[in-house]
Amino acid sequence: QKEVEQDPGPLSVPEGAIVSLNCTYSNSAFQYFMWYRQYSRKGPELLMYTYSSGNKEDGRFTAQVDKSSKYISLFIRDSQPSDSATYLCAISRGSNYKLTFGKGTLLTVNP
Amino acid sequence: GAGVSQSPSNKVTEKGKDVELRCDPISGHTALYWYRQSLGQGLEFLIYFQGNSAPDKSGLPSDRFSAERTGGSVSTLTIQRTQQEDSAVYLCASSRGLVSYEQYFGPGTRLTVT
Repeated sequence: QKEVEQDPGPLSVPEGAIVSLNCTYSNSAFQYFMWYRQYSRKGPELLMYTYSSGNKEDGRFTAQVDKSSKYISLFIRDSQPSDSATYLCAISRGSNYKLTFGKGTLLTVNP
Repeated sequence: GAGVSQSPSNKVTEKGKDVELRCDPISGHTALYWYRQSLGQGLEFLIYFQGNSAPDKSGLPSDRFSAERTGGSVSTLTIQRTQQEDSAVYLCASSRGLVSYEQYFGPGTRLTVT
């Protein structure tokens, strides 16, 4: 079983839609949960990170972690065409450990 | 300030040749990471440097791959006797050492082995 699973999509939504992106992970030892965004032909950039279960909000983005289910989510409200990118979840056992990335979900927001 | 830079941005090489990929991390970042990104495979961890030492080389796919970092700054990833399956985007990232979840990525080197 892979350490982290992510549906690669692709996901296509109309502008203004609420987008839900999800990952599952296998090992309860993971404590840090990140979402990176990658535009075409660019390197990934960190969007959000969370340490514990619960929600974390930043503007139109909300990251949610459910450790009991080993499930992490990223919600995008009022999606914009500029949100079109690949979204990668990443997990880590601690602040000084390597990251394990999901395969990424390709999102297209249509105007 | 300047971000992570990588060179070359694109590299086409013949099977069997050696290639060197370069990464310049953000100034002051002590940790440096190399990843490989293939279509449909996501980001695959290769190697991690803390300063000039590499405590985790677990991701290097074969002994044809090696990396070094000098002066706690620039790093090179060398692939010897390249194979077609080495074709991928090689990404470098840096972080402030202990804060490894906040990694800053370069634009990558797109390697094509013909």
